[in-house]
Amino acid sequence: SQQGEEDPQALSIQEGENATMNCSYKTSINNLQWYRQNSGRGLVHLILIRSNEREKHSGRLRVTLDTSKKSSSLLITASRAADTASYFCATADTGRRALTFGSGTRLQVQP
Amino acid sequence: NAGVTQTPKFQVLKTGQSMTLQCAQDMNHNSMYWYRQDPGMGLRLIYYSASEGTTDKGEVPNGYNVSRLNKREFSLRLESAAPSQTSVYFCAVRTRGATNEKLFFGSGTQLSVL
Repeated sequence: SQQGEEDPQALSIQEGENATMNCSYKTSINNLQWYRQNSGRGLVHLILIRSNEREKHSGRLRVTLDTSKKSSSLLITASRAADTASYFCATADTGRRALTFGSGTRLQVQP
Repeated sequence: NAGVTQTPKFQVLKTGQSMTLQCAQDMNHNSMYWYRQDPGMGLRLIYYSASEGTTDKGEVPNGYNVSRLNKREFSLRLESAAPSQTSVYFCAVRTRGATNEKLFFGSGTQLSVL
C-alpha cells in the first residue's frame, strides 16, 4: 500500500503563482524526500528533510514537515512553465531500506 | 556520463513470454532498487539489493525475480509475463552522504504485455 498520499492529485496554476502540494504518511520516518518527474522520464530528487527538521529551503522550493501530524508540504514559489511535472513525496521509514512513494501531484503551470 | 542505465527502453511481450530488464550503474553505490509505476499509483517497490549478492522483496514481488551478480548490475526478470505486469519499470541507485541521501533513477522501461 502507498505510504504517502499527495494532495491535490492535480493542480493547475498560472506562471508566477505559488504552488503548494501536501503529503501525508502513516509510519515513523527518518526523512522525507520530494521528487519531480517530467512526462516520460525518471524521477529526479529535489529536496530531503529529516525527521528532526521542520522547514527547509532550496532555491524556489520550501518544504515543511510536521511529524506530529505525519504531513509535509512542498511550496514552489514564482512558478514557471518549466515546473510543469508530477511531484512525489517519498518516505524513508524507520527500519526499512527502501523509499516508499506517494501517488503524486500533477502540476500544470500555464504560461 | 555517470548514472543509471536501463535497457531496453520499450518492450512488447505476449502473455507467457519471459524477459530480463537490465540495469547498470557507474556510481559505485551499494543499494539498488526496482520499482514499477502504474498510472495514478506512484511507484511501488518490487525488489531491492542492499549490496552485491543480496536481494530482498519489496511490496509487489510476485511474478518477478532479480539478480545482483556484481556491484554494477541489477537485473529484473519476468519468467512468464502477464497483462497485469504492463507498466513502466524504473531502476534506481541510492546514494548516501554525510548530510544527504537520494535515489538516482534510470530513464525507465515501458513494458506492454498483450
